[in-house]
Order: sequence, then structure tokens, then C-alpha cells
Amino acid sequence: NAGVMQNPRHLVRRRGQEARLRCSPMKGHSHVYWYRQLPEEGLKFMVYLQKENIIDESGMPKERFSAEFPKEGPSILRIQQVVRGDSAAYFCASSPGTENSPLHFGNGTRLTVT
Amino acid sequence: AQSVTQLDSHVSVSEGTPVLLRCNYSSSYSPSLFWYVQHPNKGLQLLLKYTSAATLVKGINGFEAEFKKSETSFHLTKPSAHMSDAAEYFCVVIKGGTYKYIFGTGTRLKVLA
Repeated sequence: NAGVMQNPRHLVRRRGQEARLRCSPMKGHSHVYWYRQLPEEGLKFMVYLQKENIIDESGMPKERFSAEFPKEGPSILRIQQVVRGDSAAYFCASSPGTENSPLHFGNGTRLTVT
Repeated sequence: AQSVTQLDSHVSVSEGTPVLLRCNYSSSYSPSLFWYVQHPNKGLQLLLKYTSAATLVKGINGFEAEFKKSETSFHLTKPSAHMSDAAEYFCVVIKGGTYKYIFGTGTRLKVLA
């Protein structure tokens, strides 16, 4: 049973370019969370999605960031016009959505903006 | 509102000695609690979970945690540290019936040879 798959593992973008991060949840999981982690810091919640719905995006910056989880295919975190401050590790986690179920994490995408 | 406090940002132990990583939570309702471990350049891996069953919870790799309602604590312990335990550990709380997982700031465990 494949775990949460994130790709790419490493992504380098120049300032002003777009970054697209992909996350395929575990089989049977319909709930996806995105987190950002800066070096030596904990995880910061960004967004929570269910299939075709954004449930909570309170952690997303108001501009340049967007997320989707379409009916078919992976969840996408999109960062437009990247800046150096966007450099971080971005983690995706999924759950089946049953009460008190733990989150299952991918290995993350490490974004470097040059 | 729920919150979780990891009392130590860094803990150092010698190999073969016990490990204690402290976590206190605040919750108006019976919470569910989790411990995760993160090795360098990896995602978070679930170590164990408490969901209102037995108060002493056993996890993977010899770790266990005890839920103490009177102390609002959920400390993680291991009798004997191994070099491979060196990693960052996160305590997480979720209020029952919600989707909001609250993460602690993490404790970096260093194991000395």
C-alpha cells in the first residue's frame, strides 16, 4: 500500500517563476493537508482540502499561493512569482477523514528559490 | 481552544540511557494525541497515538507515552536510547470531531555515543 507520494523531492526556481508541488494521498484517503517547514522550525499549517473542496485555507498567504484537490489526480500546491522567502520544505499529509485518525505524511518537496 | 507545548526544544542523552520528551496539552474536550518523529530530510512518521482507550500507549521502535489527564501531559519515553533515535519529535493534539491538528514546536533529540 503506497504511502503519501510527493513530487518533486527537490525543486529549484528563480525568483518570479512558478512552483507546482504535487501530492498523491494514500489509497482510500480523501483528505489532504499542506504544511510548510522552515529550517529549525516546526510545521505551519497552510491548507486543508477534500476532493474538489477547500475546507480551510487560513494558513495560506493571501497572494501568490493556491491549492486544489481535483476529483481525479493529485493535490497541487501552486506558488506564483516565487520569492526567496518561499524557500522551505513543503509537506503533504493525508487522512481517511474518520474521527481522530492520524495524518500520514509524504517526504516533502524542498523548494529553493535562487 | 486546543494547544500543545513541548517543554524542551533540545534534549541530549547518552546511548543506552532513558529518553523523556515532554508534552503538555490544553483542550476543553477529550483530545486525541499523537507523537511523530522526523529524521533529517524526511517526512513525519507516526510513532504512537492516544484516542481515549488505554492511557499507556505503546508505539514503534520501543517508544511509549502515558496520557495523564490530571497533569494534562502526554510525555514520550523510551527505556534505552539508540543512535538511530536521533531526530526531531513532534507532539500533536486534535480535538475530537474536528480536523484541526495542532503541532508542538518540536524537540530535537541528540544521542551521544
